[in-house]
Amino acid sequence: ETGVTQTPRHLVMGMTNKKSLKCEQHLGHNAMYWYKQSAKKPLELMFVYNFKEQTENNSVPSRFSPECPNSSHLFLHLHTLQPEDSALYLCASSQDPTGVSTEAFFGQGTRLTVV
Amino acid sequence: AQSVAQPEDQVNVAEGNPLTVKCTYSVSGNPYLFWYVQYPNRGLQFLLKYITGDNLVKGSYGFEAEFNKSQTSFHLKKPSALVSDSALYFCAVRPFSGGYNKLIFGAGTRLAVHP
Repeated sequence: ETGVTQTPRHLVMGMTNKKSLKCEQHLGHNAMYWYKQSAKKPLELMFVYNFKEQTENNSVPSRFSPECPNSSHLFLHLHTLQPEDSALYLCASSQDPTGVSTEAFFGQGTRLTVV
Repeated sequence: AQSVAQPEDQVNVAEGNPLTVKCTYSVSGNPYLFWYVQYPNRGLQFLLKYITGDNLVKGSYGFEAEFNKSQTSFHLKKPSALVSDSALYFCAVRPFSGGYNKLIFGAGTRLAVHP
């Protein structure tokens, strides 16, 4: 696999629940990303962390709260979500946030369903 | 605005025939271009990238892509398609700004290879 692990793989939650998605990378990378993938839409970049610092929040609603305790781990905390938030959430990492030539490595994603 | 367009939602090709998946981009400055593939229930896997140099880039699984600056295109190609190539393909561009970088993806093209 790619060295980026996401858990859980599937999650069903009610609109009043609080849950968290976890991402872990074993590649020694310094940049980590959250993407949202919805059917027939481009991947939407949500958040970027470089060296544990958030460097981009792409106008994401506050019901999504990221956390990056160290360069290897990234969380996405979820609360009071809406049904339209149902999607595949992908985590990615890359070696050097300033290296434009470096490709990103993706996890397998968490399929989230909000009921 | 910086963007990536994949004009075809789906491409159908017979096994053994050549395939092309189209991608055009709009970005200021030098483009750094990538192709990723996504198999069902999996994350994105890196296929190939163009940074500089030869316009024809070779990647994994026999895929190649041709960078055409005048047409702002980066089409993915393979001389002989396999049924196992059936998947969702994403083109991405990396603009560089503010000291860090992010990938901007197209909406994806589903490739169906028929026996």
